[in-house]
Parts: sequence; C-alpha cells; structure tokens
Amino acid sequence: QKEVEQDPGPLSVPEGAIVSLNCTYSNSAFQYFMWYRQYSRKGPELLMYTYSSGNKEDGRFTAQVDKSSKYISLFIRDSQPSDSATYLCAMPGGGADGLTFGKGTHLIIQP
Amino acid sequence: DGGITQSPKYLFRKEGQNVTLSCEQNLNHDAMYWYRQDPGQGLRLIYYSQIVNDFQKGDIAEGYSVSREKKESFPLTVTSAQKNPTAFYLCASSAGINYGYTFGSGTRLTVV
Repeated sequence: QKEVEQDPGPLSVPEGAIVSLNCTYSNSAFQYFMWYRQYSRKGPELLMYTYSSGNKEDGRFTAQVDKSSKYISLFIRDSQPSDSATYLCAMPGGGADGLTFGKGTHLIIQP
Repeated sequence: DGGITQSPKYLFRKEGQNVTLSCEQNLNHDAMYWYRQDPGQGLRLIYYSQIVNDFQKGDIAEGYSVSREKKESFPLTVTSAQKNPTAFYLCASSAGINYGYTFGSGTRLTVV
C-alpha cells in the first residue's frame, strides 16, 4: 500500500462549482498536511498548511484533516478557470528525505 | 525577493552526454532537494541535502550526481548512465523537516 493515495483525475467541473480534492494516507505518524498547486510547466507552490485534525480556511480554500480516517481534503468554493491546475497533497514523515507527495489530481474548471 | 532559481528552463542532451542543471536559493534554507516529474508518476526524489557538504540518495539516484559545496547551491548532473533522462526536473528547498518546500520553476530536459 502506497503511503499517500490521490486520484489523478482529470476532474472537470463548471465554473462556480464547489470542488473537493482528497488524499488518503497510511502512516499514522503524519502530523502536518500540505496542499500544493502546480500550473502546467511550472513548479508547485504551497497553497495550504495544516497541523493535526480540523479545518483551516483561506479565502475560497478550505483544508480539512480527519486523522481518525487518515483522510485529508481541499475544498475550493466559487471555482474559477484560473484554479485549473494539478493539486498535490504532501506530508512530512519526519525523516531527512522530506515530504511524501501524492501523485496529484488534475483539475479543470470549465468556463 | 527571496526565492529559488533553476536554470536553464529548457535543456537538450545528446546521447552519451553529461549535463548539469543549476539550482540556487537565497532563502537561507539548509535543506535542498531534487525531484523528477514524469506524466502519471508524480514527484520522485533523486537526491537531497540537509547541510553543506552532505547529501543522500533518494528513490531514483542511479545515473545522477550532485554536489553541495555552498548552502545556496545544489546542482544536479544527469550522466550518460541515466538511460531515460527526458523529464521535468524540480529543485526545492526547505527550512526544516516539518516545513513546506519552496520549489523552483523547473528544467525540462529532452534527449535529442
């Protein structure tokens, strides 16, 4: 079983819809959870950073962590075509080799 | 402005040739990483370095080499031993284990 699982998509939704992106993980030691956004042919950029369980909101974005289910989500409200990108979840495992990434979900917002 | 710079943006390699990808950061981060990204494969770790003059192999280090002579710089050499080097290469830096990464804008390497 891979440490972090993420549906690759593509996920296509109409503009203005609420988007839900998800990751599951197997390592119960993960404490910090991140979401990165990557536009085509660009480097990923950190979008959201959360610690332990609960919700964190930043504008149209909400990150949710359920440690009991080993499940994290990123919600995007009022989605815009500019939100079209690949979204990667990531978690530090505590080792020197850094973050464990999901493979990313390709999101398409249709105008 | 602080950031991480990768160069060149595009690179072409002939068969049997070694090429070096540059990565420079002015964020004063100790840790630096190199990833390879292929369609459908996600990010795969090539090498990482937690401190100057020290680096470790990642999951796919064969055919690659690195150096870390300065805190700011972590160049990656793709050697002729790497049989399938065509990919998008990303460099990242971090302030510590539980911190997020800052990524560069990537180098797209193509074998011609």
